Amino acid sequence: LAKTTQPISMDSYEGQEVNITCSHNNIATNDYITWYQQFPSQGPRFIIQGYKTKVTNEVASLFIPADRKSSTLSLPRVSLSDTAVYYCLSARDYKLSFGAGTTVTVRA
Amino acid sequence: EAQVTQNPRYLITVTGKKLTVTCSQNMNHEYMSWYRQDPGLGLRQIYYSMNVEVTDKGDVPEGYKVSRKEKRNFPLILESPSPNQTSLYFCASSFLRSGGTSTDTQYFGPGTRLTVL
Repeated sequence: LAKTTQPISMDSYEGQEVNITCSHNNIATNDYITWYQQFPSQGPRFIIQGYKTKVTNEVASLFIPADRKSSTLSLPRVSLSDTAVYYCLSARDYKLSFGAGTTVTVRA
Repeated sequence: EAQVTQNPRYLITVTGKKLTVTCSQNMNHEYMSWYRQDPGLGLRQIYYSMNVEVTDKGDVPEGYKVSRKEKRNFPLILESPSPNQTSLYFCASSFLRSGGTSTDTQYFGPGTRLTVL
């Protein structure tokens, strides 16, 4: 199964941009790269998904290089409410691997 | 409202007493799965199901059973719970992508906090 590697934690301040890189060396050709956000005692929720190059939505951007062995989630101008754990999801066939995630702490 | 529901939300039980955690989704999703979450270990997949009567093991299936008799329901069964199964459990569901070879966005339930004494 394709495993993911992310930094364990990151600290930031309100208004800054946060970039989290995930390594997924064994990603399958037909798999998408998906990021989720989780608040304490809640289930993860979808943030953004992409296959290659760049994807942007109202909350984040996702950058995927041509070899697709990594991806970078970019959170622009974070606020205190963005403090959460962020997971990049790797999948091979129907088996999903979330990994340990990155705890992002935003300070005032 | 589109949602994944789990019951119970909290459960305290004793070693060896069989229990079932229910999971239901109303989005007509083909794919359903169970995860456990422990401090520092993130989410680990226990079992998953691609459709009715089709299930397979995830990364940590030992001590758990599942069944998928109906599309909307995917119960998690602990035949003989042990203290090392104390954890926070999440059920999730999704569509399968066109072609059926991978999954789409996962929708998670609210979680079930299980304590086995």
